[in-house]
Amino acid sequence: NAGVMQNPRHLVRRRGQEARLRCSPMKGHSHVYWYRQLPEEGLKFMVYLQKENIIDESGMPKERFSAEFPKEGPSILRIQQVVRGDSAAYFCASSWDSNQPQHFGDGTRLSIL
Amino acid sequence: SQQGEEDPQALSIQEGENATMNCSYKTSINNLQWYRQNSGRGLVHLILIRSNEREKHSGRLRVTLDTSKKSSSLLITASRAADTASYFCATFPGGSYIPTFGRGTSLIVHP
Repeated sequence: NAGVMQNPRHLVRRRGQEARLRCSPMKGHSHVYWYRQLPEEGLKFMVYLQKENIIDESGMPKERFSAEFPKEGPSILRIQQVVRGDSAAYFCASSWDSNQPQHFGDGTRLSIL
Repeated sequence: SQQGEEDPQALSIQEGENATMNCSYKTSINNLQWYRQNSGRGLVHLILIRSNEREKHSGRLRVTLDTSKKSSSLLITASRAADTASYFCATFPGGSYIPTFGRGTSLIVHP
């Protein structure tokens, strides 16, 4: 049973470029969560999705950030026109129900030059 | 301010000693969860305690919950070097399905 798979593990972008982060949830999980973590800090919730639907995006900036979880394929977190402040570790988690513990991927470390 | 706050921020002990971490929160919760994060890795779920439970055990882990004080503690007994990690509590405020994480406790266990 593969766990939550995130790729790439490391991503380097120049200011103004686009960053695409992918997350494949655990088999059977239809709930996906994205978080952002800065060094020495806890995880900050960004967005919660179920298949083809955004349930809660209250933690995601209104501009430049978007997320999707299509019927087929991985969930994508997309950051357009990246800025230095977007540098962080982005984690994806999945669960089979919103009340159940979440299973996390190992994250994507995004560095902006 | 954070819904969940872990205390202490950092803890350094010798192998074999017990490690206790605390979590305080502000609003009523449905349940509280503890997670571990090894350096460079994602979070791993350790234990979930519901609001109507007072204590829960899992191997060398013991979690308590005091809803009157809005606090929880995680005790790791007979610690091992492999327990070195950051530990986070996650709270689910009443009615919410979105967890709020604290800043974590960084635990170092010296062999």
